[in-house]
Amino acid sequence: DTAVSQTPKYLVTQMGNDKSIKCEQNLGHDTMYWYKQDSKKFLKIMFSYNNKELIINETVPNRFSPKSPDKAHLNLHINSLELGDSAVYFCASSQETGRAFFGPGTRLTVL
Amino acid sequence: AQSVTQLGSHVSVSEGALVLLRCNYSSSVPPYLFWYVQYPNQGLQLLLKYTTGATLVKGINGFEAEFKKSETSFHLTKPSAHMSDAAEYFCAVSRGSTGGFKTIFGAGTRLFVKA
Repeated sequence: DTAVSQTPKYLVTQMGNDKSIKCEQNLGHDTMYWYKQDSKKFLKIMFSYNNKELIINETVPNRFSPKSPDKAHLNLHINSLELGDSAVYFCASSQETGRAFFGPGTRLTVL
Repeated sequence: AQSVTQLGSHVSVSEGALVLLRCNYSSSVPPYLFWYVQYPNQGLQLLLKYTTGATLVKGINGFEAEFKKSETSFHLTKPSAHMSDAAEYFCAVSRGSTGGFKTIFGAGTRLFVKA
């Protein structure tokens, strides 16, 4: 059983388009995250959601917006895509111990 | 504020040699500490974690790490490197806050293992 799943795995799109990445976790965790991993492999937290409330919003462009329809889902919407948005995006979830469970990642390529 | 510093973006060892990946953290309160490994084209997997209790933590694949509060360090070691250990390693610190936890990662250390 997949604990944290993301779709799509690969996403290739043109500059200026709007796209979404979906994430689902079946672990019953209260907190979900989105991380961006750039070409240098640096992981940066973008958003954190707890019980459907945004509790941490890092300094990312407002073109990025998280949407959580329920506790098990945290989708990432990106408007007006730019070249610099090309990266691997990881969804994760965690519970009280703080250990994060990661999805397989979505490789976004903006042309 | 909390942060994580991994010393050395690249570490190269020979097969069978000691692996030492360094991690220092800063946190205003006792943190939870983690090491994650990322193999090429894969997501992150947990190697080991420290929450409370024994400061020497053993993880998967023969790795272990020691929490040293006085040095604010959580270095990762393995006595004998194997070719399959070649990967990217991330140290992370997690701290509870109102409503949940926030996990911050270091910049990562790429481990190369030479035959």
